Amino acid sequence: GQNIDQPTEMTATEGAIVQINCTYQTSGFNGLFWYQQHAGEAPTFLSYNVLDGLEEKGRFSSFLSRSKGYSYLLLKELQMKDSASYLCAVRAKHNAGNMLTFGGGTRLMVKP
Amino acid sequence: GAVVSQHPSWVICKSGTSVKIECRSLDFQATTMFWYRQFPKQSLMLMATSNEGSKATYEQGVEKDKFLINHASLTLSTLTVTSAHPEDSSFYICSARDFGTAYGYTFGSGTRLTVV
Repeated sequence: GQNIDQPTEMTATEGAIVQINCTYQTSGFNGLFWYQQHAGEAPTFLSYNVLDGLEEKGRFSSFLSRSKGYSYLLLKELQMKDSASYLCAVRAKHNAGNMLTFGGGTRLMVKP
Repeated sequence: GAVVSQHPSWVICKSGTSVKIECRSLDFQATTMFWYRQFPKQSLMLMATSNEGSKATYEQGVEKDKFLINHASLTLSTLTVTSAHPEDSSFYICSARDFGTAYGYTFGSGTRLTVV
């Protein structure tokens, strides 16, 4: 099976930088995804990593280390609207239909 | 980009009745659809994977006779919650695999089910 861990909650200040970590254990790793989800809404895609290294996209960056089973999502210049849950999800080659397995999600609260 | 339309957005039903949730892929063919359930302050838990024209694959602990999934066409998958009970109250989300990109998973907007 797959085991995906991320902190339950985090708090940060508007304008600051926050790093949300995700560790995973899986065989046949085939990609890691980060999604943002506001309460009562569907998740929206943020980033995808399949090779080691950093992927940067505007204020959001995601890092992956496959040997360590570790990823982080970095949010810069935090805005109030960034208050949401951030979901780490892993895809494994053996998963039927290429399904994603989600971590428990990290609820981020951005304070003024 | 790829869009999945999910209806209804919310529904309130009486205990013992059945509710059908639809997910349609609007501009692509969804050969595979994933159905998730999400309880408050929790993450998405996969319930089942449906493939067009074949029986759905259910995750362990999910009752296939209670959560009926039909994927009769390449653009429509439905989830029917039969004999609903208050503990079935949850947020249900579908997600279609868009094979156009490596990271292509398109989510529906979700259905908030409340069983009273």
